[in-house]
Amino acid sequence: QSVLTQPPSVSGAPGQRVTISCTGSSSNIGAGYDVHWYQQLPGTAPKLLIYGNSNRPSGVPDRFSGSKSGTSASLAITGLQAEDEADYYCQSYDSSLSYVFGTGTKVTVL
Amino acid sequence: QVQLVESGGGLVKPGGSLRLSCAASGFTFSDYYMSWIRQAPGKGLEWVSYISSSGSTIYYADSVKGRFTISRDNAKNSLYLQMNSLRAEDTAVYYCARDGVGVELFDPWGQGTLVTVSS
Repeated sequence: QSVLTQPPSVSGAPGQRVTISCTGSSSNIGAGYDVHWYQQLPGTAPKLLIYGNSNRPSGVPDRFSGSKSGTSASLAITGLQAEDEADYYCQSYDSSLSYVFGTGTKVTVL
Repeated sequence: QVQLVESGGGLVKPGGSLRLSCAASGFTFSDYYMSWIRQAPGKGLEWVSYISSSGSTIYYADSVKGRFTISRDNAKNSLYLQMNSLRAEDTAVYYCARDGVGVELFDPWGQGTLVTVSS
């Protein structure tokens, strides 16, 4: 099954900016399918954080932003806060008629 | 509010079977595609299967094809996952999730149910 590649971990001090990359291929992100991002707080189910590459659902702080270019996408968190410590996953669709997730990134607030 | 509640998880021996259920409320269930997604302990997310709103279109991940069957009962606002020939590598928290309308995303997710395959 196809997967999207993310860095295992990123960290930053409170107030800093961190970015998480998500690298796919020509059969998923590069084929024009949208990228979505999920936040999974410890012990909870994932929650939609960014949809359609760069859109925030109602209630998501504007500290979170997303972008997409070519076969990759990125999630940025500006003004990092302690409550942002979580696992983050990107997700897209693949031409093989399957959904694909990123490998996941653990964000640590120093 | 929109709510998804999974049930049916538990401990099962390798080769055994289990049926998961997902009860939906707070939205018109019959209008939405639905999916099952799993997460092995300490691991990432893996999409398992999805079913169209009418149940006429179904897809599976290669890892479960031929062993798992997804179904739904729109009259009961319920989604199911019949899991047969279970293996140790099927051990995971299984989430049901609502698919986006015309958008291939998952929102919201249920709280998950743990399936443990062990002798």
